[in-house]
Amino acid sequence: GESVGLHLPTLSVQEGDNSIINCAYSNSASDYFIWYKQESGKGPQFIIDIRSNMDKRQGQRVTVLLNKTVKHLSLQIAATQPGDSAVYFCAENWRGGNMLTFGGGTRLMVKP
Amino acid sequence: NAGVTQTPKFQVLKTGQSMTLQCAQDMNHNSMYWYRQDPGMGLRLIYYSASEGTTDKGEVPNGYNVSRLNKREFSLRLESAAPSQTSVYFCASSGRGLGAGELFFGEGSRLTVL
Repeated sequence: GESVGLHLPTLSVQEGDNSIINCAYSNSASDYFIWYKQESGKGPQFIIDIRSNMDKRQGQRVTVLLNKTVKHLSLQIAATQPGDSAVYFCAENWRGGNMLTFGGGTRLMVKP
Repeated sequence: NAGVTQTPKFQVLKTGQSMTLQCAQDMNHNSMYWYRQDPGMGLRLIYYSASEGTTDKGEVPNGYNVSRLNKREFSLRLESAAPSQTSVYFCASSGRGLGAGELFFGEGSRLTVL
């Protein structure tokens, strides 16, 4: 079936460096994507979203890139900080638009 | 402004026992959801409610029932708990319609079934 997945389960970066978290999706009918951040013991928090009619969207220190040709989504975090350490999930809107489907998550570890 | 509130935060059950997870949101959102999260996996949708009075099955509804009591509250019931239902349960709400827009999540309810 269609699914959202992540290339790297764990990403370790140095404080101050840029981070890139990747996500592959296989449902070409998906038209909406979201990135969530989940800190230990807490619920997921919205980071940024993007619709399929866009290639790039920027927020505060974060950028989401969408490559529909290869069905790839990425989250870029500039100047990574210790507070960015968390698990990051991508999610896509499919199944007729009635629900979001989440990928398995990538753990980001920031080294001081 | 509390957002999405879930109770209880922790619960231990024996196989065959029943319980209800409560969820309330104070953001006047129409849509509410229940997800489960298992170790090393993403969130999987159990049930959702597009509006007061309506509920629909998600990806993994078996073994669960839900009630949309009013616009604020959406409860999840396990009638006869099984060890496979050991998980962390998250309630979420959205004001922008199903499948689109930001979901606001609660802090989670950690359930262990022995």
